[in-house]
Amino acid sequence: DIQMTQSPSSLSASVGDRVTITCRASQGINNYLAWYQQKPGKIPKLLIAAASTLQSGVPSRFSGSGSGTEFTLTISSLQPEDVATYYCQKYNSAPLTFGGGTKVELK
Amino acid sequence: QEHMVESGGGVVQPGRSLRLSCEGSGFNFSTYGLNWVRQVPGKGLQWVAVIWYDGSQKNYEDSVKGRFTISRDNSKKTLYLQMNSLRAEDTAVYYCARSPWGVGGWCDMWGQGTMVTVSS
Repeated sequence: DIQMTQSPSSLSASVGDRVTITCRASQGINNYLAWYQQKPGKIPKLLIAAASTLQSGVPSRFSGSGSGTEFTLTISSLQPEDVATYYCQKYNSAPLTFGGGTKVELK
Repeated sequence: QEHMVESGGGVVQPGRSLRLSCEGSGFNFSTYGLNWVRQVPGKGLQWVAVIWYDGSQKNYEDSVKGRFTISRDNSKKTLYLQMNSLRAEDTAVYYCARSPWGVGGWCDMWGQGTMVTVSS
């Protein structure tokens, strides 16, 4: 099975900082990758599908890129409401594995 | 308004069974793939199973294969997860989540989750 590895597992950044989270697949998955945000005590929310397609209503400071085995989620200017754990998920074929998550905190 | 609501969670002894349900409303239930995803409190998300829009294909995470069965009743707009031979490590919040691809894919809507605790 394809493994999904996120890095870093946690990060601390200041308001206004550019934040980048990486997700690596152990084998190529084309662009079949989604990103989710889960705020503390809340359910996951879909941010991006197809590696780079921003979902309706998601702020434009979020962006995704990549294809094959390496993907990134970028927050161009971190806001206090972005404090959350972020997960990637592959969906090219089952199992539809999630990455381990990246916890984003404010410095 | 689109909604998915899980039910059926609770406390169960190891080795016993439990059936979770997830009722959808406000959308065309029968055209979506449906997933179960679980999360141990304080830990990450773990995909458990997916079922195609018509129920014709099902896939499972390795640790639940042979113990869990995903099914759906499109006439009742309800998704199920039959969990047998439960283990302590199955303790988690279980979410249902829909995939716009009828055959599974990204999850664009999630239920609020139902807690399953496996303990003697």
